[in-house]
Amino acid sequence: KAGVTQTPRYLIKTRGQQVTLSCSPISGHRSVSWYQQTPGQGLQFLFEYFSETQRNKGNFPGRFSGRQFSNSRSEMNVSTLELGDSALYLCASTGTGGFTDTQYFGPGTRLTVL
Amino acid sequence: GDSVTQMEGPVTLSEEAFLTINCTYTATGYPSLFWYVQYPGEGLQLLLKATKADDKGSNKGFEATYRKETTSFHLEKGSVQVSDSAVYFCALRSWDSSYKLIFGSGTRLLVRP
Repeated sequence: KAGVTQTPRYLIKTRGQQVTLSCSPISGHRSVSWYQQTPGQGLQFLFEYFSETQRNKGNFPGRFSGRQFSNSRSEMNVSTLELGDSALYLCASTGTGGFTDTQYFGPGTRLTVL
Repeated sequence: GDSVTQMEGPVTLSEEAFLTINCTYTATGYPSLFWYVQYPGEGLQLLLKATKADDKGSNKGFEATYRKETTSFHLEKGSVQVSDSAVYFCALRSWDSSYKLIFGSGTRLLVRP
């Protein structure tokens, strides 16, 4: 079974631009979560989608948004980029999203904002 | 709210040494507990998990036991290898945390030959 895939793997943007990251979950998984990883803040939850609906949201500004498509693929968008948005963005998929389920992570997208 | 506390790193060991990485948690109810590992330049890989008290998760020689009385989930390995060098994250998921993973700060392990 193919794992979680994320594209692109690396991105370089400048302040003020916007960016879209993509995540394809494991086949059959309906829940997709996004996390931001930085050296200073560690791993922080952004949001979770289940069956095309945002089910949970972390404490991030409205510049961070996401969506999920009917095939469970998900995208996240960051508008008006700031230097502090430089991070590794990780996507994880889960079968049903129940709290005993395992979240399987992709390799991440490394975003650098100049 | 729910939280996870891990021992500060880095932890430096010689090959074949015994490893313990401490993890304690705060949660209401009965969370599921996880250990993930991150190798340089990669995402997170599940190492092991436990979903109820006294469960022992194990994988690749690593073990951790869910101790509700001490709210702990310490990671152990009897004999580490150079290839175990990575960052290890303890995490929990619970109904109270809205099913999201709450991570500890991570512990870097460096194993010397």
